[in-house]
Amino acid sequence: QQQVKQSPQSLIVQKGGISIINCAYENTAFDYFPWYQQFPGKGPALLIAIRPDVSEKKEGRFTISFNKSAKQFSLHIMDSQPGDSATYFCAASRGSSYKLIFGSGTRLLVRP
Amino acid sequence: EAQVTQNPRYLITVTGKKLTVTCSQNMNHEYMSWYRQDPGLGLRQIYYSMNVEVTDKGDVPEGYKVSRKEKRNFPLILESPSPNQTSLYFCASSPGQGAMNTEAFFGQGTRLTVV
Repeated sequence: QQQVKQSPQSLIVQKGGISIINCAYENTAFDYFPWYQQFPGKGPALLIAIRPDVSEKKEGRFTISFNKSAKQFSLHIMDSQPGDSATYFCAASRGSSYKLIFGSGTRLLVRP
Repeated sequence: EAQVTQNPRYLITVTGKKLTVTCSQNMNHEYMSWYRQDPGLGLRQIYYSMNVEVTDKGDVPEGYKVSRKEKRNFPLILESPSPNQTSLYFCASSPGQGAMNTEAFFGQGTRLTVV
């Protein structure tokens, strides 16, 4: 069964700290790894995505680190802010398939 | 404004009473799908559609039906809802063929309670 495992389930970080969320996948055919951000009462929205030909992608305070050999990828949020408090989902898909396989989600709380 | 619109946002129904959740997108996307979100399980795909009149099962299709008669609309049908279908439902769309693995746009969600 295709699977993406995400940890931790919840995370509390002080304002200004670094938030780190990890994901591991099984299917080596996956070639697209997005992260989605979801605020309460809203649908998930694409935050940042990476393909396996690079080991890191940075957009502002958000960075994806990708380790192809370990089949792991992680989201780093630098200088975390209370406005970053949300649920974060990692996901994966492969080739011509548009199907996203989601992790179980991480609820992030950034304390002021 | 580019968006995916779901209705209703909230629904409480009784076991066995047929219901439909509507989904409409205004981005001319080919690919549409339905997910359910449950605590600790993330989002799981129920059904998807590659284009008009083309639909297929996702990971958790039991108890659900869909149709895609028009490109913009992708309703989710529960013929005989049961309490285990109580969940938060999301419709999503993506550009589709020729734009592989691009962004999925999600609706605002429908919180369904079956009693």
